[in-house]
Amino acid sequence: AQSVTQLGSHVSVSEGALVLLRCNYSSSVPPYLFWYVQYPNQGLQLLLKYTTGATLVKGINGFEAEFKKSETSFHLTKPSAHMSDAAEYFCAVSDVNFNKFYFGSGTKLNVKP
Amino acid sequence: ETGVTQSPTHLIKTRGQQVTLRCSSQSGHNTVSWYQQALGQGPQFIFQYYREEENGRGNFPPRFSGLQFPNYSSELNVNALELDDSALYLCATAWGGGSYEQYFGPGTRLTVT
Repeated sequence: AQSVTQLGSHVSVSEGALVLLRCNYSSSVPPYLFWYVQYPNQGLQLLLKYTTGATLVKGINGFEAEFKKSETSFHLTKPSAHMSDAAEYFCAVSDVNFNKFYFGSGTKLNVKP
Repeated sequence: ETGVTQSPTHLIKTRGQQVTLRCSSQSGHNTVSWYQQALGQGPQFIFQYYREEENGRGNFPPRFSGLQFPNYSSELNVNALELDDSALYLCATAWGGGSYEQYFGPGTRLTVT
């Protein structure tokens, strides 16, 4: 069975500071990993994904994440937070056929002026 | 805008009743997945349909059922509603039976009293 753990249900950073959102996964097979963002009253939007190849993946809005198999982690980072980054972020893992997705419980990012 | 629409936006039902939620994609995506997102939680995968056949199912009881139509619109049906069914229900569409590129709708907020 696959599962995802997001450490920290709320993270607060100052504008311009580093954003680090943590995600660890549990999977018996090589996973496909994703980060999604959800703004209030909207659906989820794909930020970035790791399927195969380079372990450092870049996404939209300046976000990136690194797949570390030895640590079973896929942490999301952004060098400099912007006010518009305030939202809820979800890490997810899928099976190899992309017909089952498992989401973490989410991390709400607050960006202070 | 993802081009994925869901109806209705909000719904209030009584315990024991049945409910039908709808999802459509303007882009002709032939795969649809449904998720349940309880308050403060991440989305939980219910099932996926590809070309009108169920293609994967999460850990939900049989009273959660679905349909996908030839035009690739979809319905989620929930029988014998329980209080714990109160949640945001999200659909996500994609092209192809095994695609990570999901496009989420804004969701239907179901309240069961």
